[in-house]
Amino acid sequence: IQLTQSPSSLSASVGDRVTITCRASQGISSYLAWYQQKPGKAPKLLIYTASTLQSGVPSRFSGSGSGTDFTLTISSLQPEDFATYYCQLLNSYRWTFGQGTKVEIK
Amino acid sequence: EVQLVESGGGLVQPGGSLRLSCAASGFTFSGYAMSWVRQAPGKGLEWVSTISGNGFSAYYADSVKGRFTISRDNSKDTLYLQMNSLRAEDTAVYHCARHTSGWYYFDHWGQGTLVTVSS
Repeated sequence: IQLTQSPSSLSASVGDRVTITCRASQGISSYLAWYQQKPGKAPKLLIYTASTLQSGVPSRFSGSGSGTDFTLTISSLQPEDFATYYCQLLNSYRWTFGQGTKVEIK
Repeated sequence: EVQLVESGGGLVQPGGSLRLSCAASGFTFSGYAMSWVRQAPGKGLEWVSTISGNGFSAYYADSVKGRFTISRDNSKDTLYLQMNSLRAEDTAVYHCARHTSGWYYFDHWGQGTLVTVSS
């Protein structure tokens, strides 16, 4: 199963609402996660099972979707949110990541 | 606090070998599946290999199958990745990561160790 994220990059301002999409090549129920990675740092789990917020993650992050189409939304972009975001799934003991979406400062 | 600290990276010639280690602390290591995930310079995340908590089951990406071997020593709380027949395309930062209890996701990551394959 392939994961395709869109857009590959975006420019936004502090306070903007940002939406990133992840599309699976086949239906995957809701077993999808989102990660945030800042330059030179390890990825951080944000959301799992499509919409469950990982402990400690700010509530401005939310996830939705099922089947093949999933969305990560940041309701009000903060300076610390500028990073690259990845979706990820498990299928038949193969863990697959999307290609990433880089969120840059406008 | 969960901590994962990788070591063992470095410069190696094509065809060479390297063994990575990941020292774990802050949790019951044997109770969790563990993985290696790599990131080539300027590229995205690529899953490499996973091992079950008891070490009896292992899984590999097609790109490394037959060349890499994942293992663990639960008495030392340490994860390993033996990398043989290295290629230029194996150049990457290698992160170890802990799985969530259902194996689906990765809830803790190490900072990574850089492997450079070059002559």
